[in-house]
Amino acid sequence: QKEVEQDPGPLSVPEGAIVSLNCTYSNSAFQYFMWYRQYSRKGPELLMYTYSSGNKEDGRFTAQVDKSSKYISLFIRDSQPSDSATYLCAMSGGRGSTLGRLYFGRGTQLTVWP
Amino acid sequence: EPEVTQTPSHQVTQMGQEVILRCVPISNHLYFYWYRQILGQKVEFLVSFYNNEISEKSEIFDDQFSVERPDGSNFTLKIRSTKLEDSAMYFCASSEKFANSFYEQYFGPGTRLTVT
Repeated sequence: QKEVEQDPGPLSVPEGAIVSLNCTYSNSAFQYFMWYRQYSRKGPELLMYTYSSGNKEDGRFTAQVDKSSKYISLFIRDSQPSDSATYLCAMSGGRGSTLGRLYFGRGTQLTVWP
Repeated sequence: EPEVTQTPSHQVTQMGQEVILRCVPISNHLYFYWYRQILGQKVEFLVSFYNNEISEKSEIFDDQFSVERPDGSNFTLKIRSTKLEDSAMYFCASSEKFANSFYEQYFGPGTRLTVT
C-alpha cells in the first residue's frame, strides 16, 4: 500500500535539537492528519491532529499540513531524551472510507541522546 | 486515567488453529477497532465496529476473521484458521465516536500473535 509514506529512519539527534519528521500521501481526500507516538511495547498514543491544511502548535510540537503538496510535518523543538520513541503519521477521511479508518505511515524511530 | 486493555500480551499458536484476541475498550466508548502491525511494517486497519455491527472492514479482513462484542465490556477478534502470515501485533482501539468529526482513538498495548 502506498497511501502514506514515511521514512522509517532511524533518526538520532542530540538533546536540544530541532527534529523534523515528515510524511507524504497519495489520497487527496484525506481530511484529518495525525501524529502518534509509540513507546516500546505500548500502543500508539495520539500526539496531535490537524484538520485540513495549516499549522497547529502544542508546546514544543508543531504539526504542518500542506494539502497541495500532499505533505505533512511534525517539528519538535528543544528535543528531550524523553521524546525518544517511534513517531507515526496517520490520516483519515480518505475517499470511500470512514473517518474511523486510519491509514498509518511506517513510523520514524527517534532517539534523542543527552 | 482510563485505558484500553488487551489479553493475552503474547499468544503462540499452531497454523490452522483458531485464536481469540480479547480487548476491553474504555467504558464510555462506542466505537471499536482492530489494527495489526506485521514486524517492520505499517499499522494496518482491519475493522471498525459500532452498535454490534461492522462499520467498515479492510481487504485484509476476510472470512477468516470475525469480531464480536459478547458482553458489555469485551471486544474480541477471532481468527478461524491461522496462517503463518497472521503473525503480527494486533492492536485494539476505541473512541467515543467517529461520525462526522474527529474523535481520538485510544489504543491498547497490543497482543503479539505468533503462528508456528
